[in-house]
Amino acid sequence: EAQVTQNPRYLITVTGKKLTVTCSQNMNHEYMSWYRQDPGLGLRQIYYSMNVEVTDKGDVPEGYKVSRKEKRNFPLILESPSPNQTSLYFCASSLFPGNNSPLHFGNGTRLTVT
Amino acid sequence: QKEVEQDPGPLSVPEGAIVSLNCTYSNSAFQYFMWYRQYSRKGPELLMYTYSSGNKEDGRFTAQVDKSSKYISLFIRDSQPSDSATYLCAMRSAGGFKTIFGAGTRLFVKA
Repeated sequence: EAQVTQNPRYLITVTGKKLTVTCSQNMNHEYMSWYRQDPGLGLRQIYYSMNVEVTDKGDVPEGYKVSRKEKRNFPLILESPSPNQTSLYFCASSLFPGNNSPLHFGNGTRLTVT
Repeated sequence: QKEVEQDPGPLSVPEGAIVSLNCTYSNSAFQYFMWYRQYSRKGPELLMYTYSSGNKEDGRFTAQVDKSSKYISLFIRDSQPSDSATYLCAMRSAGGFKTIFGAGTRLFVKA
């Protein structure tokens, strides 16, 4: 089944404790992206990747890191999480970075930072 | 001002009603318009995808784009309780790779 898989689904952590949220897609998509979803603010892009070893900042990159060493994986790293990073996170991918390539989403990771 | 504005609702309708969901936008460069449906505890899933102006129909769903007014709509006919979800509009410019999302409208269809 074609899908975007995120892990974990739920995560509770404390301020400053480094964490990684994994994302993997099995559709051979070139483009991958991370979003956070907050009430009233919708989906905001954190980082995106056009292809292996090519990543760039989205609208809200502060406090996050990403890497794209393999085409299928795009982990999101929080080196020192803070309470304002409590949110619902989604990984998404598309075949190509634009035009007729809509995004496919994972089922989300709900992160709570205390 | 946000690039894409969407009324968050909630919108509550009886089963069988026609539902109209709308978004306005400010960037005239947007050419690709999408509607995503998001069920609780799930990721958004693509519902409709249109290019430029006009209508597109898929079963009970119709997407409309009016570029002159910078206004897009999603109509749901014969709404069902299973349509209860949050609906997100999204758009992108031609040649662009960044998708901009509305905040989402929460819809409840009562049996």
